[in-house]
Amino acid sequence: AQSVAQPEDQVNVAEGNPLTVKCTYSVSGNPYLFWYVQYPNRGLQFLLKYITGDNLVKGSYGFEAEFNKSQTSFHLKKPSALVSDSALYFCAYSSGSARQLTFGSGTQLTVLP
Amino acid sequence: GAVVSQHPSRVICKSGTSVKIECRSLDFQATTMFWYRQFPKQSLMLMATSNEGSKATYEQGVEKDKFLINHASLTLSTLTVTSAHPEDSSFYICSAPGGAHATGELFFGEGSRLTVL
Repeated sequence: AQSVAQPEDQVNVAEGNPLTVKCTYSVSGNPYLFWYVQYPNRGLQFLLKYITGDNLVKGSYGFEAEFNKSQTSFHLKKPSALVSDSALYFCAYSSGSARQLTFGSGTQLTVLP
Repeated sequence: GAVVSQHPSRVICKSGTSVKIECRSLDFQATTMFWYRQFPKQSLMLMATSNEGSKATYEQGVEKDKFLINHASLTLSTLTVTSAHPEDSSFYICSAPGGAHATGELFFGEGSRLTVL
């Protein structure tokens, strides 16, 4: 079955340090991969997406993600974390023409001051 | 960017009553909208796909008669939780695609927190 997996429920990082939120995928064909962020009691905000082309995708708020086909990964990264980055992060894929997104289980990121 | 508005943001109701949640695309037309349900500290689960001018497509395990979806116009979809019970308490989020292709991002409403007493 096609899916994305986020192996870490919780990630803690000190402010100013680099952060990584992991995502692996099991999607046939060419995957369309996305990262979204959710703040408490809010909807989701789009961060970035990989469709095709450069494996390194740059997105909103200084985030980037690298599509790694050999490792089937799409980890979200940021060089220097901010306390305000603390939120719930979701990796997702789009299944071709269906357009709806299927989400990973989410990773709670906490950036400590 | 595109904006999706969801109303109400919070609703508390008594068991047995029905609650309607509206999802509007404010500056674009959406022939399709998606309704998700999210339990605390969990992921979003797709409930149904709302199609303008036709019946909604429900995911397996979602009761059609419990969660009524109507997509009456190109900018409005509604989710009605009928005869609500405490187990229906959840965070409901709608979304609409920003383009006609699967590569287009989804725009999400702010969510509606339903509490059934």
